[in-house]
Amino acid sequence: DGGITQSPKYLFRKEGQNVTLSCEQNLNHDAMYWYRQDPGQGLRLIYYSQIVNDFQKGDIAEGYSVSREKKESFPLTVTSAQKNPTAFYLCASSMGRAEAFFGQGTRLTVV
Amino acid sequence: QKEVEQDPGPLSVPEGAIVSLNCTYSNSAFQYFMWYRQYSRKGPELLMYTYSSGNKEDGRFTAQVDKSSKYISLFIRDSQPSDSATYLCAMSVYLTNAGKSTFGDGTTLTVKP
Repeated sequence: DGGITQSPKYLFRKEGQNVTLSCEQNLNHDAMYWYRQDPGQGLRLIYYSQIVNDFQKGDIAEGYSVSREKKESFPLTVTSAQKNPTAFYLCASSMGRAEAFFGQGTRLTVV
Repeated sequence: QKEVEQDPGPLSVPEGAIVSLNCTYSNSAFQYFMWYRQYSRKGPELLMYTYSSGNKEDGRFTAQVDKSSKYISLFIRDSQPSDSATYLCAMSVYLTNAGKSTFGDGTTLTVKP
């Protein structure tokens, strides 16, 4: 089945630690996105990439970094510079249509 | 002021009720209007999308866009407990780059049996 796979489903981070969230898609989509969702709030764009080896900052990129070395993969690193990282993170992809396909999300908690 | 404002809810209705979910927006350049459904602890999935003004119907769901008023709605007829979810409106200027849509904050709907 085609889709987007995010891992892990739950992730715990200690203060000052960097963590990387995985996002893989087998839909052959060019564009991929990372969103953050906080309780009662909509999706806020962190980073997006329209082609391999190129990515752009979204609305809340500070404290995050990404890479796009392969078309199917778009990992997100939450760095220690992100002071409030506890949130639900969603990866999505799209291909020239109105629909964005989302993964099942990673819930990150700072302990 | 946010570019997209969504009726906050939460909304609780009895099974069989007609539900109306609404969003307003300020950017007149938006042309593509989407509704996503998000079940608890899951990723959103596209429910319907409409281009420009007008209505679109899909089974029990009707999406309505009024560009002159900058107002969109999603109607659910004969609501079912399985419709219980958070509904997110989203809007985009371009068809390409759907993931860069501007999202509302979501309305959480509970349909009680």
